Amino acid sequence: AQSVTQLDSQVPVFEEAPVELRCNYSSSVSVYLFWYVQYPNQGLQLLLKYLSGSTLVKGINGFEAEFNKSQTSFHLRKPSVHISDTAEYFCAVSRGGATNKLIFGTGTLLAVQP
Amino acid sequence: DTEVTQTPKHLVMGMTNKKSLKCEQHMGHRAMYWYKQKAKKPPELMFVYSYEKLSINESVPSRFSPECPNSSLLNLHLHALQPEDSALYLCASSVDRTLEPQHFGDGTRLSIL
Repeated sequence: AQSVTQLDSQVPVFEEAPVELRCNYSSSVSVYLFWYVQYPNQGLQLLLKYLSGSTLVKGINGFEAEFNKSQTSFHLRKPSVHISDTAEYFCAVSRGGATNKLIFGTGTLLAVQP
Repeated sequence: DTEVTQTPKHLVMGMTNKKSLKCEQHMGHRAMYWYKQKAKKPPELMFVYSYEKLSINESVPSRFSPECPNSSLLNLHLHALQPEDSALYLCASSVDRTLEPQHFGDGTRLSIL
């Protein structure tokens, strides 16, 4: 079975500083990886996805993530954050196929301070 | 703007009421999902429909009854809910049930009195 670990429940950072949100997964089979963002009182918005191919994935709003199979990680990064990036970020894994289900991590609150 | 539309945005109901949540998408997606999300927690999968047929029920209590009348519409019928059912209910859709990412609506915030 797959699982996802987001060790940081909250990451405070100053505006215009770089940030990395950590995500580790465990699975005995190949997986597909996603990062979603949830702004207050909204649903989840897909930031980026890794299905196959290049391990460096670029997403919306200047975010990128790198898939590292040997370390089973899929960390999310942004070189310079804005106040508007304050939100909850969820890493998710899926095995794909007919029994595809998204398994979410517990989320990381990115708190950008002026 | 989200391409998955959920109505109503907010719903307050008593434990004896019957109400329904509605979800609509016009992206031609053939898989649709219901999730429940409590505060400060990740979404929990409830039901999955694939080509209008129920394919996954995550052992959800029978007071929640899903329905997929057509490929664009997903309903969640509610009856005799409990206070612990108060949560944000999210609908999502994807091209199909394989590896395509899921697109979420903004949810219905449900409060049970």
